[in-house]
Amino acid sequence: DTAVSQTPKYLVTQMGNDKSIKCEQNLGHDTMYWYKQDSKKFLKIMFSYNNKELIINETVPNRFSPKSPDKAHLNLHINSLELGDSAVYFCASSQDLGLVQTQYFGPGTRLLVL
Amino acid sequence: GENVEQHPSTLSVQEGDSAVIKCTYSDSASNYFPWYKQELGKGPQLIIDIRSNVGEKKDQRIAVTLNKTAKHFSLHITETQPEDSAVYFCAASRSFQKLVFGTGTRLLVSP
Repeated sequence: DTAVSQTPKYLVTQMGNDKSIKCEQNLGHDTMYWYKQDSKKFLKIMFSYNNKELIINETVPNRFSPKSPDKAHLNLHINSLELGDSAVYFCASSQDLGLVQTQYFGPGTRLLVL
Repeated sequence: GENVEQHPSTLSVQEGDSAVIKCTYSDSASNYFPWYKQELGKGPQLIIDIRSNVGEKKDQRIAVTLNKTAKHFSLHITETQPEDSAVYFCAASRSFQKLVFGTGTRLLVSP
């Protein structure tokens, strides 16, 4: 069983389009995250949700909107895609916020904006 | 905010040699320091972590050391094997799970 899964694995789209990436975790964790990894492999947190509540919101353009329908899911919707949005997006989860916990990463979604 | 620097950016070793990757952090309140391994086409995977109340931790061929005074921590891999080839990331965190990652080290182990 995959602990943290993401769909789709690859996403190729045109500038200006709107797209969504889905994430699901079956670990029973309370906290989920979205990270962006750029072409130089730099990993940076975008958002964090705990029990469906937004906890961390880094300086991300408001074209990016996360949505957590329940504890096990955290989706990322991107409006008006730009060339600079091309990157690998990783979802992650951890037990909770009480103590610093191990974060488990999904396999990533490779987004290419043409 | 926290800033994590990581060196070297690339590291080539022969199979059986040791590899050392070093990171420095800026926030003296950081108290959790994980190391992640990312293989090609996959997500980062935790390989070892250390908390600020411990100076060293070892797990088989992998060890991590932490110097809180100097604000740096290091990953040591002994008896390297070709399957250790990957990108390694250090990270630091002080609260609420916000991990700040280093820039990554590409390790290549040649047979």
